[in-house]
Parts: sequence; C-alpha cells; structure tokens
Amino acid sequence: GAVVSQHPSWVICKSGTSVKIECRSLDFQATTMFWYRQFPKQSLMLMATSNEGSKATYEQGVEKDKFLINHASLTLSTLTVTSAHPEDSSFYICSAETLAGWNSYEQYFGPGTRLTVT
Amino acid sequence: DAKTTQPPSMDCAEGRAANLPCNHSTISGNEYVYWYRQIHSQGPQYIIHGLKNNETNEMASLIITEDRKSSTLILPHATLRDTAVYYCIVTLGQGGSEKLVFGKGTKLTVNP
Repeated sequence: GAVVSQHPSWVICKSGTSVKIECRSLDFQATTMFWYRQFPKQSLMLMATSNEGSKATYEQGVEKDKFLINHASLTLSTLTVTSAHPEDSSFYICSAETLAGWNSYEQYFGPGTRLTVT
Repeated sequence: DAKTTQPPSMDCAEGRAANLPCNHSTISGNEYVYWYRQIHSQGPQYIIHGLKNNETNEMASLIITEDRKSSTLILPHATLRDTAVYYCIVTLGQGGSEKLVFGKGTKLTVNP
C-alpha cells in the first residue's frame, strides 16, 4: 500500500516551453501533497505544500507564478513549470501524506521526474 | 536548516548489521524521529519513525536514547540493495503544515 506515482518519469523540453508533472496517490487519499526539487549531489529542497482545494503554500525563494501547483482532488496534484529555462533542469519529487497512527503522519514519495531543459 | 547531524558516509559488509547514527540534541518533547532513504535517482522511501520507545518493523530497528538526543537506525542484515543515502529527520509529524527538512544524510555503501 501507500504508493505514489509520478508522470512523466523524465522529460526533455525546450527553453521557454511549459511542462506539467503529475503526482498521484494510488491507494490512499492525501489531503496534503508536497513538491520537492533536487539538484545533482544535493539534498531534497521543499518547494511547496499543496492542500486539496486550496492554494499551495510556497517556500521562500520559489516563484509561485513560475511553478504552478494544482491540487484538484485527494489523489492528484500537478506541478507546471512555466517558461522553463535550463537552470530549471532538476529532479522533481512529490510526496503525499497520510495518517500513520495516533497523531503522527507519514509521507510517501513518488519516484521522481527528471526534467532537462535545453 | 536540518535539526539533525549525521556522518556523511559509512561502509558496511553485506550480511552484517548496519548501524547509522543520528544526533538531534535540540529535539523537543513532542517531535518524532523519522528515517527515510533514497536510492540513486529514486524518490525517498520511508523506513521507520519513533517518539520515545524503540521501534522495529520489517525493514529496520530504531533505537532512541533515553534523553532522545540521538538515535540509531539498524539494518540487521545489510544487502547490496541497501546502498543509499539515509536521512534522519526530526519533525512534529502532525501533518499538513509540518515539513520534512532533509539534511545531507549518510551515504551508506554496502560492500560484497
């Protein structure tokens, strides 16, 4: 159980175009999903927190107009990288949160999406 | 910033127990200790978490010191597939606005 999928697993796009990445919780409902970015040889950095039916909360330094997040249902969140530039090339990972026990939660991560902007 | 300190790398022989330490001296009374690992080019995988008591599941054991200022993740019989970066994270675990802050983790290499 607790499987999170991402689509696509990798994408190459041209500079200036937009790319949409989907994150789905396959066997559970997640009121909260998170989007992370990971550059080579670095740790995961949280980009934004996404709650179903409401606007995402972005971390400091992350442009909300560039990284559009939509969380339309309890099992789907999307991240759209608009007007992509080569510096946006990175490994994008989502996670979905579920209640693990009394007053504690677990985050389950997707397999990641490798974005390369040429 | 991460609230935990981990050694940058460790080696372990296949079949042996891997003991990964983590210091979290500023942990507060209601914060949990979570462990995740990330195999190269994959998303992180949840391993185990605990509050005060030692915990064990099918993947690992978590030993938390009595003062809760440090913990050890134990992989009882390490295999080559356990080679990964292991992250120790302290969090309230209350969900929603609670974020996971990933430090640099420990790169565990299991050798044949």
